[in-house]
Amino acid sequence: KQEVTQIPAALSVPEGENLVLNCSFTDSAIYNLQWFRQDPGKGLTSLLLIQSSQREQTSGRLNASLDKSSGRSTLYIAASQPGDSATYLCAVSNTGNQFYFGTGTSLTVIP
Amino acid sequence: DAMVIQNPRYQVTQFGKPVTLSCSQTLNHNVMYWYQQKSSQAPKLLFHYYDKDFNNEADTPDNFQSRRPNTSFCFLDIRSPGLGDAAMYLCATSRDVRNGYTFGSGTRLTVV
Repeated sequence: KQEVTQIPAALSVPEGENLVLNCSFTDSAIYNLQWFRQDPGKGLTSLLLIQSSQREQTSGRLNASLDKSSGRSTLYIAASQPGDSATYLCAVSNTGNQFYFGTGTSLTVIP
Repeated sequence: DAMVIQNPRYQVTQFGKPVTLSCSQTLNHNVMYWYQQKSSQAPKLLFHYYDKDFNNEADTPDNFQSRRPNTSFCFLDIRSPGLGDAAMYLCATSRDVRNGYTFGSGTRLTVV
């Protein structure tokens, strides 16, 4: 069974810093990987979806990379802002109609 | 805008009293999912529908049931809620797994 790990569990950075969130998975036979943002008490908002054939995806200040062979993905956030404070989850899909989630990284950007 | 809508946003129910949570979508996606998320934990898949085909996770308690009367709607029924069922319940849709998920805003269930 696919296992997804996110390190660190929590991260605090001063406003303006660039930062990297990590996601690792045990089974490299994935269809794709998706990064989500979750604000406290809210649902999940999709940030980026990377197909298994892709190496990276970019949206604004966000860049997600995928190294399928090593079972790793990173989410790079440039010039962090207090509004970026949230929990970031990654999820991977293998065969079947299911995504496997990590437990998330709780990010706090300090003004 | 096409979206996934969950109602209600907050639900308080009594211990043992049946409760139904609803999810609707305007995306015309084939697959609908129900996830349970407890505090500081990863979302846990309860079950999903691929069109009308129901797929139950092996460790989903019998206390949880689901209905999908048509493409747009999916319901989560908790027959006898216990205190341990208090959680955020998330509905998601997907055209297929290759296209990623779209989530609703969730329903926060409190059991008193």
